[in-house]
Amino acid sequence: DVLMTQTPVSLPVSLGGQVSISCRSSQSLVHSDGNTYLHWYLQKPGQSPQLLIYRVSNRFSGVPDRFSGSGSGTDFTLKISRVEPEDLGVYYCLQSTHFPYTFGAGTKLELK
Amino acid sequence: EVQLVESGGGLVQPGRSLKLSCAASGFTFSNYYMAWVRQAPKKGLEWVATISTSGSRTYYPDSVKGRFTISRDNAKSSLYLQMNSLKSEDTATYYCARGNWERSFDYWGQGVMVTVSS
Repeated sequence: DVLMTQTPVSLPVSLGGQVSISCRSSQSLVHSDGNTYLHWYLQKPGQSPQLLIYRVSNRFSGVPDRFSGSGSGTDFTLKISRVEPEDLGVYYCLQSTHFPYTFGAGTKLELK
Repeated sequence: EVQLVESGGGLVQPGRSLKLSCAASGFTFSNYYMAWVRQAPKKGLEWVATISTSGSRTYYPDSVKGRFTISRDNAKSSLYLQMNSLKSEDTATYYCARGNWERSFDYWGQGVMVTVSS
């Protein structure tokens, strides 16, 4: 199985600040079709996960441009600029290149 | 508006069975892969199963393969998860999720709790 390693586990932030979350995979996430199926989710307290970024760098419908994704191969990053209160929660990366699909363990974004 | 509403959760004894349902609306259900993802209490997310549009192809991780069966009824816009030989480690909130051509899960239900305990 592909191991997804997210860092940090916890990320204190000030409102208006900028943060980065890292997600590294134990093997390349480049699919035989040439695409890289790495996605980012946010789970706000008491809510279901919501899709933020799909295929590394594409923002899902309605996601503000404060969120950006980058990376390739085995190394990926989610950046959040001008952090707002509604951005707080747990962020997960998901790889769907290889079966079984696997999630990272999560990064909790919280106020300093 | 896409809506996914799970039902069928509850308390069940180890070794017994339970069937979850997910009612979909707001989109053409038969055009999308569907999936189940679970989250144990205070833990992260775990993919449980995926089914193709027609239901002819299904995919599972080893942790549930042979015990869980995902199915769908396109005429009823409904997704199901039959869970047999339940174990305590299956205790979790189970989410129904829509798959898309980007192989991500773009819409999720509110989740349904399954507790496996004697």
